[in-house]
Amino acid sequence: GQQLNQSPQSMFIQEGEDVSMNCTSSSIFNTWLWYKQEPGEGPVLLIALYKAGELTSNGRLTAQFGITRKDSFLNISASIPSDVGIYFCAGQRDETSGSRLTFGEGTQLTVNP
Amino acid sequence: NAGVTQTPKFRILKIGQSMTLQCAQDMNHNYMYWYRQDPGMGLKLIYYSVGAGITDKGEVPNGYNVSRSTTEDFPLRLELAAPSQTSVYFCASSYSIRISNEKLFFGSGTQLSVL
Repeated sequence: GQQLNQSPQSMFIQEGEDVSMNCTSSSIFNTWLWYKQEPGEGPVLLIALYKAGELTSNGRLTAQFGITRKDSFLNISASIPSDVGIYFCAGQRDETSGSRLTFGEGTQLTVNP
Repeated sequence: NAGVTQTPKFRILKIGQSMTLQCAQDMNHNYMYWYRQDPGMGLKLIYYSVGAGITDKGEVPNGYNVSRSTTEDFPLRLELAAPSQTSVYFCASSYSIRISNEKLFFGSGTQLSVL
C-alpha cells in the first residue's frame, strides 16, 4: 500500500528552538494534513494543505505542500513545553475513493524547559 | 457536544476472548472510522462506514468486524483476540468523506492488550 516516510522519528530540543519535520511519499497526494497527538488522546488536526506549493500558518506552526505533491514539511518556531507530543503527517490521495488517509509514523517531540 | 466517545479506555483480554469496542458520536456525522495505532507507527485504517447500514474494509480488517445500525454508533468487534491485536484503537468521524473540506474528529482511544 501507500507509505509515508516521516522524519525524524524523534527530536529532543530546548525551549525556544525552532523545529522542522517532513514527510515524503513515492505517490502523489492531493491533500496533506498535519496532526498532533498528546498522551492519552486522539490526534488533533493542526494544518490542512490543499494545493501544491501552498504554505499555511497556524500560529507558530507553518506547513508546506511540496511542489511535486510527494512531500510536506512542518515547522514550529520558538518551541514551548506544551509543543510536546507526537506529530503525524497524513495524505489523502483521491477525495472520491473513500476516506483513505495514509498516516506517517509520527515524530515524537520533546521540549526541555 | 461530547464529540467522539470511546469506551472502554483500557482493556486486557486473554487470547481467544471476544470483546466490542464502543464508539459514539453526537455530531450527526455520516462517516465513521476505526484506526489502530501500533508503537512507532502511524494509524492504520481497519474499517469505515459512510452511513447507517454501510461499512467497508480499510487497510487492516482481518480479525475485526463492524456494524453501523445507527448514525451515532459504530462498534468494533474482536471475535477471537490474538496478541497481534494488542494496540491502541481510535474511532473517528467526519461530516464529509472529503477530508480536505472537513475535519476528522478522533476519540481519545482504547488501549487493548491481548495476553
